[in-house]
Amino acid sequence: QKEVEQDPGPLSVPEGAIVSLNCTYSNSAFQYFMWYRQYSRKGPELLMYTYSSGNKEDGRFTAQVDKSSKYISLFIRDSQPSDSATYLCAMSGPSGGSYIPTFGRGTSLIVHP
Amino acid sequence: ETGVTQSPTHLIKTRGQQVTLRCSSQSGHNTVSWYQQALGQGPQFIFQYYREEENGRGNFPPRFSGLQFPNYSSELNVNALELDDSALYLCASSPPTGQNTEAFFGQGTRLTVV
Repeated sequence: QKEVEQDPGPLSVPEGAIVSLNCTYSNSAFQYFMWYRQYSRKGPELLMYTYSSGNKEDGRFTAQVDKSSKYISLFIRDSQPSDSATYLCAMSGPSGGSYIPTFGRGTSLIVHP
Repeated sequence: ETGVTQSPTHLIKTRGQQVTLRCSSQSGHNTVSWYQQALGQGPQFIFQYYREEENGRGNFPPRFSGLQFPNYSSELNVNALELDDSALYLCASSPPTGQNTEAFFGQGTRLTVV
C-alpha cells in the first residue's frame, strides 16, 4: 500500500460543475497537506496548503483535511475549461529534521464546455 | 522576482552515459529539491539541499548525486543511465520556512534514455 493514494481518473465534468478531488493516506505523522495543479508538459504549481485538520478557502478552491479519517479533499466551484489539468495532492511531516513531501499520483480533470 | 528555471528542457541519452541537469532557484529561496516524475505518476523525491548541504534523500541509488552552489542554484547528476531513468526531472525551490509547504517548481527536464 502506498503512503498516499489518489484516483488517477480521468474525471470529466461539464463547465460550471463542482469538482471534488480526494486523497487518502496512511502516515499519521503528516501535518501539512498541499494541492498542486499540473498542466501537460509543465511543472506542478502550488494551489494551496493547510496545516492539520480543517478547511481553507481561496477563491473557487476549498481544501479540507480530516486527519481522523486520513482523508483530504479539494473542491473546485464553478469549474472552467482552463481548470483542466492533473491535480496532485502532497503531504509532509517531520522526518529527521526535514519535511519531505510525499505526492499522490495525480487525478486528471477534464472540464468540457 | 524570477521563478525556478531548469536546463535543458529536453535531453536524449544512451544507456550507460552520464547526465547533468541544472536548476536556478527562485530569488530568496535557499532550499532546493529534486524529483523524478514518471509518466502517469506523481513526483518522487530524490534529494534536497539546504545551504549547500544534502539534508534529505529519497529511495534512489548513489548514482543519483547533486550539488548546491553558494547562489543556491543546483545540479542533479545521474551516472550509468538506465532505461528506467527516462522521466521528467523536476527541481523545486522553497523559502526558508522549513516545512516545504511552498515549493515552487520549474518546468522540468524531460530525459529520455535509449
